[in-house]
Amino acid sequence: EAEVAQSPRYKITEKSQAVAFWCDPISGHATLYWYRQILGQGPELLVQFQDESVVDDSQLPKDRFSAERLKGVDSTLKIQPAELGDSAMYLCASRPGGSSYEQYFGPGTRLTVT
Amino acid sequence: KQEVTQIPAALSVPEGENLVLNCSFTDSAIYNLQWFRQDPGKGLTSLLLIQSSQREQTSGRLNASLDKSSGRSTLYIAASQPGDSATYLCAGVSGAGSYQLTFGKGTKLSVIP
Repeated sequence: EAEVAQSPRYKITEKSQAVAFWCDPISGHATLYWYRQILGQGPELLVQFQDESVVDDSQLPKDRFSAERLKGVDSTLKIQPAELGDSAMYLCASRPGGSSYEQYFGPGTRLTVT
Repeated sequence: KQEVTQIPAALSVPEGENLVLNCSFTDSAIYNLQWFRQDPGKGLTSLLLIQSSQREQTSGRLNASLDKSSGRSTLYIAASQPGDSATYLCAGVSGAGSYQLTFGKGTKLSVIP
């Protein structure tokens, strides 16, 4: 069964350092989402892509976060510089597109900023 | 903007008991409602998805219902087991075209042997 892949699974970094996360959606899925989940909270959308284009990045802290999906397939989320408050689970999800609503989630990357 | 609330935040039950988890949402223009399970430090596992045209979905010991008019969904777990201990999240899909998920904060379930 096809799955969404994410790496790394765990990342520890010092504040002010740069960090990057990678996501490979299910093949053929046009829509890709990045979520951030702070401990004890539900995931919140950071950015949504349709193919290689950003559909919604209204909740992305653009002074330090960036996201790209250059060829409309895999995606990278970057934080520079990392802050203590960025410690969270970063989840990637994909959806086939059109009127298919179900999102399929990857295992997530747990980030700890020290 | 869609808001999703889950009550209670935590629940502890003895093994074998039937239980209900509650989810409410503010925007009735919802496309579907999805229930997830999350184990500590792990990602999300999709349990059930209810389309807006449906009223309920069942999978094994799990049954989820959706009442759009009242803005409520429930997840019923029959004959609970210690392995059911996890955080359960509900999320609604809304927003024509973008189909974004809005999550509740979850209910942390503990099933005591």
